[in-house]
Amino acid sequence: EAGVTQSPTHLIKTRGQQATLRCSPISGHTSVYWYQQALGLGLQFLLWYDEGEERNRGNFPPRFSGRQFPNYSSELNVNALELEDSALYLCASRVHRSPTANEKLFFGSGTQLSVL
Amino acid sequence: AQSVSQHNHHVILSEAASLELGCNYSYGGTVNLFWYVQYPGQHLQLLLKYFSGDPLVKGIKGFEAEFIKSKFSFNLRKPSVQWSDTAEYFCAVTMIKAAGNKLTFGGGTRVLVKP
Repeated sequence: EAGVTQSPTHLIKTRGQQATLRCSPISGHTSVYWYQQALGLGLQFLLWYDEGEERNRGNFPPRFSGRQFPNYSSELNVNALELEDSALYLCASRVHRSPTANEKLFFGSGTQLSVL
Repeated sequence: AQSVSQHNHHVILSEAASLELGCNYSYGGTVNLFWYVQYPGQHLQLLLKYFSGDPLVKGIKGFEAEFIKSKFSFNLRKPSVQWSDTAEYFCAVTMIKAAGNKLTFGGGTRVLVKP
């Protein structure tokens, strides 16, 4: 079974440009999470999608946005790129949203975004 | 290949018991080390991290971890757990490489604290 796949592996952009990162969850997983790991920091929660809807977002400006498609794959868009957006962006998926269950998270390998 | 191993997949213990979760990695170079927690129904949260300096790291919620370089380990500890510590715990290692750093997660340990 394929794991969580992310593309591209590396992305180089310049300030002011837009970046689009893609994530395909494990088959059968409906929840997709996006995280940012900037240099010197731990993972910072960005966005959570489930069943096509945004369920929660972290403390990031509105130029970070995304969507989830009917096949549960997801895009993360970052507009008006700034130098400090350079980071590893991780996608994770799990089976479904539940208030009490503790379904396991599966991670992709990440997209390394470099803003020059 | 570089990997991160969490030996305990499931841990069940009673309130007030002490907790220790093992994490070992296989990489001989410089590493940054993390422990994350996922509470039921929530996303990952950072418990603590180690980059350099004092190998005994104190995190949030009374957790601490010790980096033992010679053993390639970064075990997580809490002296006295509470029911609210029921969660899944992930160890993660960033392996610092000239060709580009690689972040790898362990498989996670599910902890159930009985009231």
